[in-house]
Amino acid sequence: NAGVTQTPKFQVLKTGQSMTLQCAQDMNHNSMYWYRQDPGMGLRLIYYSASEGTTDKGEVPNGYNVSRLNKREFSLRLESAAPSQTSVYFCASSREQFGSYNSPLHFGNGTRLTVT
Amino acid sequence: RKEVEQDPGPFNVPEGATVAFNCTYSNSASQSFFWYRQDCRKEPKLLMSVYSSGNEDGRFTAQLNRASQYISLLIRDSKLSDSATYLCVVNTGNQFYFGTGTSLTVIP
Repeated sequence: NAGVTQTPKFQVLKTGQSMTLQCAQDMNHNSMYWYRQDPGMGLRLIYYSASEGTTDKGEVPNGYNVSRLNKREFSLRLESAAPSQTSVYFCASSREQFGSYNSPLHFGNGTRLTVT
Repeated sequence: RKEVEQDPGPFNVPEGATVAFNCTYSNSASQSFFWYRQDCRKEPKLLMSVYSSGNEDGRFTAQLNRASQYISLLIRDSKLSDSATYLCVVNTGNQFYFGTGTSLTVIP
C-alpha cells in the first residue's frame, strides 16, 4: 500500500525556473493538501483541494499554482522559482476535508527544493 | 496569536524516563486533535488521535482539556527510538493547524 507518493524527492532550481511537484494517493481520499515546512515555522498550508474539481488557497499561496488532475493526483507548480521558495514540500491527503477522528492527514515523504 | 503553540524544547531525557508535552490551541471550535511524530528530514506520521476522554496506546497517553484548550502527550519508559519531533495538530473547520513541534532526545 503506497499511501501518498511524491516526486521528485530532491530538486535544485535556479531563480526564475519553473517546475511541477507531483503527488498521488491510492487511499481513495477526497481531500488533498500541499504544505511547506521551514525551520522554526511549522507546516504551512499552500493550497488544498477539498474534493475533485475544487482547489482553494491556504496560508501561503503566492508564487504557486495547483491542479487537481483527478481524485488521485494533486500537483503543485512553481512558475518562476525564487530563493524564498527553498523549503521542504509535503503533499498530504485525508478522507474528508472537515476533520474527524476518522480523517487524519497522511503525508507523502516530501520534496526538498533548493532555489539558488 | 498562533492557532497552535508548543514548547519547542529540546527535551533531553534518559532512557526509561517519563516525559510530557503540552500544546495549546486558540480556537474553541476546534474539532479534532492529533499527535504526529516527525523524524529528522522525514514526513510527519500519525502517532495518535486525542479524544476528550483521554486515550492510551502502549506507552503513550494523550489527553484533551477543552476547557483550558490544551492537549498533552505522555510518554512512559522512554526508548532511544522515541527520539523525534512531536507535532501537535488541530483541526478547525476546514483547516489543519500545526504546532512547530517539540524535539525529544532520549539519551542512553
